[in-house]
Amino acid sequence: NAGVTQTPKFQVLKTGQSMTLQCAQDMNHEYMSWYRQDPGMGLRLIHYSVGAGITDQGEVPNGYNVSRSTTEDFPLRLLSAAPSQTSVYFCASSLHLTGNTIYFGEGSWLTVV
Amino acid sequence: AQSVTQLGSHVSVSEGALVLLRCNYSSSVPPYLFWYVQYPNQGLQLLLKYTSAATLVKGINGFEAEFKKSETSFHLTKPSAHMSDAAEYFCAVLNRDDKIIFGKGTRLHILP
Repeated sequence: NAGVTQTPKFQVLKTGQSMTLQCAQDMNHEYMSWYRQDPGMGLRLIHYSVGAGITDQGEVPNGYNVSRSTTEDFPLRLLSAAPSQTSVYFCASSLHLTGNTIYFGEGSWLTVV
Repeated sequence: AQSVTQLGSHVSVSEGALVLLRCNYSSSVPPYLFWYVQYPNQGLQLLLKYTSAATLVKGINGFEAEFKKSETSFHLTKPSAHMSDAAEYFCAVLNRDDKIIFGKGTRLHILP
């Protein structure tokens, strides 16, 4: 059981470049989400999805785009990378949201120079 | 909107001493509350969760938390700290908009 798999683990981007962080889960979870973690800020929700074809914005959605074409995959796209997007990104999933355990991926370290 | 506040960004306790990490929530309805732990360079792991079944919730690794509605608190405790407990701990709440909102975290240091 792979759980939540994120790729890549490390990435360096130049300002203005675009890229996609991949997230896949094999637990048939309905709920998936992306967080960014910055020192002293905790985890902040970027986007989330309650099922295939449904996405919504979190606390800090600007500069990011998501889609949910399948239950398994929830990619996060950086449209035009900025240094302020240097962060650690976590993908998470849950069977259903209410009261269920959320499983996290191992994180993706992104540096924008 | 529902939110959580963690008091103390850093907490230090001696090995064998009581661990107390504080979390207060704001919510107008009974919330779902969680505590997660993050070890260096890893993702988050669930320690325990409150879903209104019982006010005292026991989790993994000897941790427990008590939901106190009158104080809007969900503090995390462990009777005797171990060196392996050194990590960052996050309190989180599920809000009405299907969003899990995390606190800013408390880094726990264990002194030998």
